[in-house]
This record gives sequence, structure tokens and C-alpha cells, in this order.
Amino acid sequence: DAKTTQPTSMDCAEGRAANLPCNHSTISGNEYVYWYRQIHSQGPQYIIHGLKNNETNEMASLIITEDRKSSTLILPHATLRDTAVYYCIVGGAAGNKLTFGGGTRVLVKP
Amino acid sequence: GAVVSQHPSWVICKSGTSVKIECRSLDFQATTMFWYRQFPKQSLMLMATSNEGSKATYEQGVEKDKFLINHASLTLSTLTVTSAHPEDSSFYICSARKGDRALRNTEAFFGQGTRLTVV
Repeated sequence: DAKTTQPTSMDCAEGRAANLPCNHSTISGNEYVYWYRQIHSQGPQYIIHGLKNNETNEMASLIITEDRKSSTLILPHATLRDTAVYYCIVGGAAGNKLTFGGGTRVLVKP
Repeated sequence: GAVVSQHPSWVICKSGTSVKIECRSLDFQATTMFWYRQFPKQSLMLMATSNEGSKATYEQGVEKDKFLINHASLTLSTLTVTSAHPEDSSFYICSARKGDRALRNTEAFFGQGTRLTVV
């Protein structure tokens, strides 16, 4: 699976949008971009995934660049409960494993 | 979303004993489940891929005789840490992906994790 690069940490203000970048320059044509987050001492929680098109669900939006070499996860209105480590992962078919990188530690401040 | 349940949530065991951790997909069938380990302030490290009805595939550096994996049904995989030592103390997490290998864009769901402390 292709590797990803994310900033180590970032702060954002409660109520504001949080934009989390991810670089995946070696992504192959059939690999999806997945985002998960992990709140302290819990298992990772699925957020969103996409292939080429931008995606939106009740939790977040995913913006993938046209060349697919990078993406941005957008939390539209960050709350204190969004404080977590956010992982950007690229992967393929349903049976394939997901390999975690270092993630971005997001701290939402009042 | 789909639910993956792990049991127990935490366990303390004596050095030299074995501990079994269960991972269940509650509302879907999973031909493949994955076991991860996470040390404090580190990311999740994949240990092995558990395949229903066949042998597990272990990542490089993971001792298959120490971490026994059994995936006897489409909804249950177990990880047994044999002859546990203090250095095996960690947060163990399983995950399962919905659907079969023909479904390319299915997300993985994770259990809540099991914190193992070996004393």
C-alpha cells in the first residue's frame, strides 16, 4: 500500500472548520483514501473514504486533488469531542490490510 | 455503522500465562479480520491477517507461535498471547471489513481494543 504523510499535530478552534492535509504521492490507480480517527484509549473510528471524487457525510468532507496525490479532510464545525489522532490511509480491495502511519494529533481548543 | 466487538476490554495476567482475546463482527460476516498492537504514544502496528478457515498471515517480526490466531467462523476471530511477558503489555485492536473481496470500497470497522497488562 502507498504511504502517507501527515503533519504531526495541529490545533483548531472550537466551532471553526478543521482542515487536515494528507500527502499520498505514490497512490496507485485502484487505491482508495481512507480517514480514521482514534480518541484516546479507544479503537479507531471510520470517518470517510473516497477514490477520485470529493465525498461528504455527516461527519466530514473529503477533498481529493485531481492528480490524487493529496487530500484534505474537513471537519466543518470542530467540537471539543473531535480532539483525537486522525489517520489518513490509502488502500485497495476489501480484503486488503490497512497500514497506519503516524497520523495527525488534533487538539480542539475552546 | 457496522459493529465489531472485542472481549475483554482489559485484562491483567501473570507472566508466563496465556490470554485469549475475542473479536466478533456483530452484524456482518467477515472473511478477513486484522489484529493490531499499539504501544503508548505510537501508531497501530499490524500483527497479522486472520482468514476464515485458513491459517493467519503474520507480519514480519511477529512470532506466530506466540500470537496464536484462530478464525473459526465468519464472525469470530481470536488472538491468544501465549506465555505472556511484561513486554507483551499493549493495546490490542482487531478490525474487520464488511463484504467479500469483490467489494473494493468497503471500510474497515474496529473493535474497542483490549488493554493487556502482564505483571
